[in-house]
Amino acid sequence: GQQLNQSPQSMFIQEGEDVSMNCTSSSIFNTWLWYKQDPGEGPVLLIALYKAGELTSNGRLTAQFGITRKDSFLNISASIPSDVGIYFCAGHGSSNTGKLIFGQGTTLQVKP
Amino acid sequence: DSGVTQTPKHLITATGQRVTLRCSPRSGDLSVYWYQQSLDQGLQFLIQYYNGEERAKGNILERFSAQQFPDLHSELNLSSLELGDSALYFCASRRDSLNSPLHFGNGTRLTVT
Repeated sequence: GQQLNQSPQSMFIQEGEDVSMNCTSSSIFNTWLWYKQDPGEGPVLLIALYKAGELTSNGRLTAQFGITRKDSFLNISASIPSDVGIYFCAGHGSSNTGKLIFGQGTTLQVKP
Repeated sequence: DSGVTQTPKHLITATGQRVTLRCSPRSGDLSVYWYQQSLDQGLQFLIQYYNGEERAKGNILERFSAQQFPDLHSELNLSSLELGDSALYFCASRRDSLNSPLHFGNGTRLTVT
């Protein structure tokens, strides 16, 4: 089945640094989504991407839908302590069920 | 607040038992999804319902079942529970559009002892 490979698995950075994480797939995805999960809570949608090449920002977050439709990245600029959490990429594949496939997540820790 | 409500928030039970997890989707959302998240793991898709009908199945065990009722709330039933079933179970809902994002509830943490 379709799978997403997300990297890095974890990151430990200094407050103020920029962060970049990405997801790749061996098959085409029609939609790319980025979620953040805080401890004990459900994933919260950060950015949704619907077209190949699309570049979308949400505050300090920027994400892009790769031209090949097989990858996406998320950048966080000027990180702050509240950025701590697990970031998941997710995508809708070729099936018509709307099933959302998730990457394994990137755990981000920010040192004040 | 995503608008998706899950109850209970925590559940502790013994092996061999059966539990029911409940989900109320966002107002107007017809699709409900169930995901399982084990410790330090990603989100594994279990099953999807659309307007009361099963639409897709993922890695759902035969001991697990789900349904969506006419009022669109959904229940996930887990039976003959094993220690390995301990996990966070998330419900998510979405609008009709196939590519619209999922909105997640805060999950039910199941602990099997």
